[in-house]
Amino acid sequence: GENVGLHLPTLSVQEGDNSIINCAYSNSASDYFIWYKQESGKGPQFIIDIRSNMDKRQGQRVTVLLNKTVKHLSLQIAATQPGDSAVYFCAEGASGSRLTFGEGTQLTVNP
Amino acid sequence: NAGVTQTPKFRILKIGQSMTLQCAQDMNHNYMYWYRQDPGMGLKLIYYSVGAGITDKGEVPNGYNVSRSTTEDFPLRLELAAPSQTSVYFCASSGLGQGSSYEQYFGPGTRLTVT
Repeated sequence: GENVGLHLPTLSVQEGDNSIINCAYSNSASDYFIWYKQESGKGPQFIIDIRSNMDKRQGQRVTVLLNKTVKHLSLQIAATQPGDSAVYFCAEGASGSRLTFGEGTQLTVNP
Repeated sequence: NAGVTQTPKFRILKIGQSMTLQCAQDMNHNYMYWYRQDPGMGLKLIYYSVGAGITDKGEVPNGYNVSRSTTEDFPLRLELAAPSQTSVYFCASSGLGQGSSYEQYFGPGTRLTVT
């Protein structure tokens, strides 16, 4: 199947800094992308999504950037807080097909 | 709404035993999914369903079975448990196909150990 992968398996940042988590995808037909956050011992939670007709979408303290030319997706977290420590997954889907999840990046926020 | 609920939260099985992991959603979603997540790894799709009476295999279906007799429920059956099935199992649902977003809503997971 198509691959959705992450460049960095772990990311450690200082509290208050901005975090950037990257994701590469290989299915050029993908038209929908989601970022999920998974805290220890819990199920994944939706953070933000973006469709392929957009390059950028902003939420509360989070921004997702999509570069279709190089098939790259990133999640930016502003003013990272200890509560942001979690594993972050990207997922992609194409025209109603099921989502394919990446392997995840562990974000650790140091006080 | 309770969202997606899963039972049990934890279970220890002996090799060869059988069990059913329960999953229910109250959002009237057509699509439901079962994933497994091994330690430090991502989610692998076991089975999914696009509606009552319809199921299909995902990436790793061997050793599992599912049924979807109602929109709300999507149980996962392990017939002959093996140590390789030790994992955390997540059920999810989405309104995909009903003009809704692709977002999947996840349950809290069932942690299964087979010894």
